[in-house]
Amino acid sequence: GAGVSQSPSNKVTEKGKDVELRCDPISGHTALYWYRQRLGQGLEFLIYFQGNSAPDKSGLPSDRFSAERTGESVSTLTIQRTQQEDSAVYLCASIWRATDTQYFGPGTRLTVL
Amino acid sequence: SQKIEQNSEALNIQEGKTATLTCNYTNYSPAYLQWYRQDPGRGPVFLLLIRENEKEKRKERLKVTFDTTLKQSLFHITASQPADSATYLCALPFSGGYNKLIFGAGTRLAVHP
Repeated sequence: GAGVSQSPSNKVTEKGKDVELRCDPISGHTALYWYRQRLGQGLEFLIYFQGNSAPDKSGLPSDRFSAERTGESVSTLTIQRTQQEDSAVYLCASIWRATDTQYFGPGTRLTVL
Repeated sequence: SQKIEQNSEALNIQEGKTATLTCNYTNYSPAYLQWYRQDPGRGPVFLLLIRENEKEKRKERLKVTFDTTLKQSLFHITASQPADSATYLCALPFSGGYNKLIFGAGTRLAVHP
């Protein structure tokens, strides 16, 4: 596609439920990132995928968070047993190997009631 | 640890004036620095990249400087317009390598007619 897409755009869930967020990167981009952005704050790195290498999970805040990516395509971020503090916008970005520019999706706004 | 600081207070300026935003960093010598623009409800959009051996970079009405001695980057918008109103983020590559970026919290710019 023309850009990075994310779905859903908005997700409201009850505390304790699991949620799955999806990211479709730009075709041909080998690396993919997930970030979390709380209201009025900067971007918090969560996880990084580069090709078939082991992902960098150093930013995941707890074991309730996990992410997968199949090859160089779609990625899903799963949050289990959601808590109110998980409420944020979750942004996905992809990058072409030879450049340093990250292309961001529009984000998924997650609200945990 | 690496730290990036941007003015947390919003910058309010009059249309036609030059806006100057500051990004300071510590404990780090990055090979490059990036600036992004983020509009409400949207993902960040890449604006400019400046490398450590470049003192200044321009793109249309935008100018970025990079002072590796002061550990500071300045982002200027000349002849500012209300459409320039947004949050501007600076980002540096993680010292551990590859293309993982650390983002500042951003400075909100409001250009008034």
